[in-house]
Amino acid sequence: KAGVTQTPRYLIKTRGQQVTLSCSPISGHRSVSWYQQTPGQGLQFLFEYFSETQRNKGNFPGRFSGRQFSNSRSEMNVSTLELGDSALYLCASSLVPWESLRPDTQYFGPGTRLTVL
Amino acid sequence: ELKVEQNPLFLSMQEGKNYTIYCNYSTTSDRLYWYRQDPGKSLESLFVLLSNGAVKQEGRLMASLDTKARLSTLHITAAVHDLSATYFCAGLSNFGNEKLTFGTGTRLTIIP
Repeated sequence: KAGVTQTPRYLIKTRGQQVTLSCSPISGHRSVSWYQQTPGQGLQFLFEYFSETQRNKGNFPGRFSGRQFSNSRSEMNVSTLELGDSALYLCASSLVPWESLRPDTQYFGPGTRLTVL
Repeated sequence: ELKVEQNPLFLSMQEGKNYTIYCNYSTTSDRLYWYRQDPGKSLESLFVLLSNGAVKQEGRLMASLDTKARLSTLHITAAVHDLSATYFCAGLSNFGNEKLTFGTGTRLTIIP
């Protein structure tokens, strides 16, 4: 079956702009998580969505937002971009959310490489 | 707040040797995950460890969890070049707002 897809794969923006990234989970998966990866801060959790509801949120400013649609596809938006937002943004999907008593493996997408100039 | 520390950060080892990557975490964690990342690639889930004493093995990799010591280990047996990658552990905080907290990663290089 098809894996997690993320679009676009690469993006270049300038400071002050906003950006929307998209993630399509594996068919049947209802939980989608987003992560930011940078050389300085490493991997950091952004949000987790399940059945269109944000269940958990990491320690990021309000400029970072997301949503999930009824087909489980998810988008994340970053407004007023800063240089420090340059990163690899990873999306992961799983059948069930983390709090499930039967935690499922997370499957990661290829990521979107965002460069802010 | 959960903190996760991995060591070593860099590991260079010869093929055929055994070695262990350590993952310490600061507070109670519901579960512990191990991931692999190849250069320029995304993350691949390796193991999910749920309870004290849990041990999982896949090929030359074996992961274990000691919740009392707040320690997880990833043991590599008879390393081969294909295992060269960066390995991350991550803990899931079980206090209120659940989120995955990742370690810094261990960059493993297997030398022929």
